[in-house]
Amino acid sequence: DGGITQSPKYLFRKEGQNVTLSCEQNLNHDAMYWYRQDPGQGLRLIYYSQIVNDFQKGDIAEGYSVSREKKESFPLTVTSAQKNPTAFYLCASSSDSSAFREQYFGPGTRLTVT
Amino acid sequence: RKEVEQDPGPFNVPEGATVAFNCTYSNSASQSFFWYRQDCRKEPKLLMSVYSSGNEDGRFTAQLNRASQYISLLIRDSKLSDSATYLCVVNRNNFNKFYFGSGTKLNVKP
Repeated sequence: DGGITQSPKYLFRKEGQNVTLSCEQNLNHDAMYWYRQDPGQGLRLIYYSQIVNDFQKGDIAEGYSVSREKKESFPLTVTSAQKNPTAFYLCASSSDSSAFREQYFGPGTRLTVT
Repeated sequence: RKEVEQDPGPFNVPEGATVAFNCTYSNSASQSFFWYRQDCRKEPKLLMSVYSSGNEDGRFTAQLNRASQYISLLIRDSKLSDSATYLCVVNRNNFNKFYFGSGTKLNVKP
């Protein structure tokens, strides 16, 4: 079954702790993305990566870090520097070989920081 | 100005009704256009890519108007299961970034 997996589904952390969210895809897509969604709001881009070992900041990268050591994997670390980390985090991927480059999303991770 | 703007709704319609959503985009360099559906507390799922000539998939029809910089989604014969938030997304292919609207909420009532 091809797709994108994210784990865990729910994550609870204390303020001041770093936390890493997992994202894996077996769609052979080159590009991967991390978004954040807050209640009643649209998706905001945190980071994206078009190719292994390269990534770019999105609109709200402060307080986050990523790595792209393998094509299949794009983990996101939420650091203690992120002021409002509680949110729904969505990972997505897209293929450059598709004319439209549709994005496909994983099921998301709900992070709660108290 | 936001890259992509949508009426947040909610649109409350009876089963069987026809409903239409519009979405405007600000950058004329936008090349690819999509409609996604997002159920409560779930991930967005691709509903349709929007072709320049417009396209139809069953009860769903998408149109693109480049001159006025908007895309539309028409849903015919609404079902209860169509209740969701519909996200408009545009992409400027050169930058490999996608711009999301905040979504339009649809409630289909029995």
